[in-house]
Amino acid sequence: GIQVEQSPPDLILQEGANSTLRCNFSDSVNNLQWFHQNPWGQLINLFYIPSGTKQNGRLSATTVATERYSLLYISSSQTTDSGVYFCAVERGGNTGKLIFGQGTTLQVKP
Amino acid sequence: DADVTQTPRNRITKTGKRIMLECSQTKGHDRMYWYRQDPGLGLRLIYYSFDVKDINKGEISDGYSVSRQAQAKFSLSLESAIPNQTALYFCATSDPGAGENTQYFGPGTRLTVL
Repeated sequence: GIQVEQSPPDLILQEGANSTLRCNFSDSVNNLQWFHQNPWGQLINLFYIPSGTKQNGRLSATTVATERYSLLYISSSQTTDSGVYFCAVERGGNTGKLIFGQGTTLQVKP
Repeated sequence: DADVTQTPRNRITKTGKRIMLECSQTKGHDRMYWYRQDPGLGLRLIYYSFDVKDINKGEISDGYSVSRQAQAKFSLSLESAIPNQTALYFCATSDPGAGENTQYFGPGTRLTVL
């Protein structure tokens, strides 16, 4: 099956710093989503981005489908950005069967 | 997402007990999913349903069963709970007809099997 690898596994930032999280996938995909899991366990949708670039406030994401990777950019990080960031992909068939990476754990220090 | 609710939010049970986790949604989506998350790992798909009459096994369906009682309700059952089913369980919904097959997750149910 398709493999999803996220890097780095852990990241510690000072408030105000910028960061880039990466998601590599081993096969072509028709669905790619980024999620943020906050410290209380809730999963929040960030982006649906199987290709191209999107921005939402301090967050933006880019997926280069032909090279099988996606990047999540966090600018001017805040303590509320702390948590785990997951990339999830769907191989094909529009079934919604997402395969999750193992996540990047981000800690933003004040 | 407040439009997807799960009950209970926390449950502690004993080995061998039957447990049902419930999911309700007000988003009007046809598709619903059950995932589990183990500590330090991503989510894995247990079962998914495209409508009331369509139920499909996911990656890790052994030891679980589901029931789609209505478009808005999708329940997950553990017929005889075992300790390695201790995990965080999430329900999700999606509507591919909206153009983007984005999945929206409930708040999760933390299950502990002793």
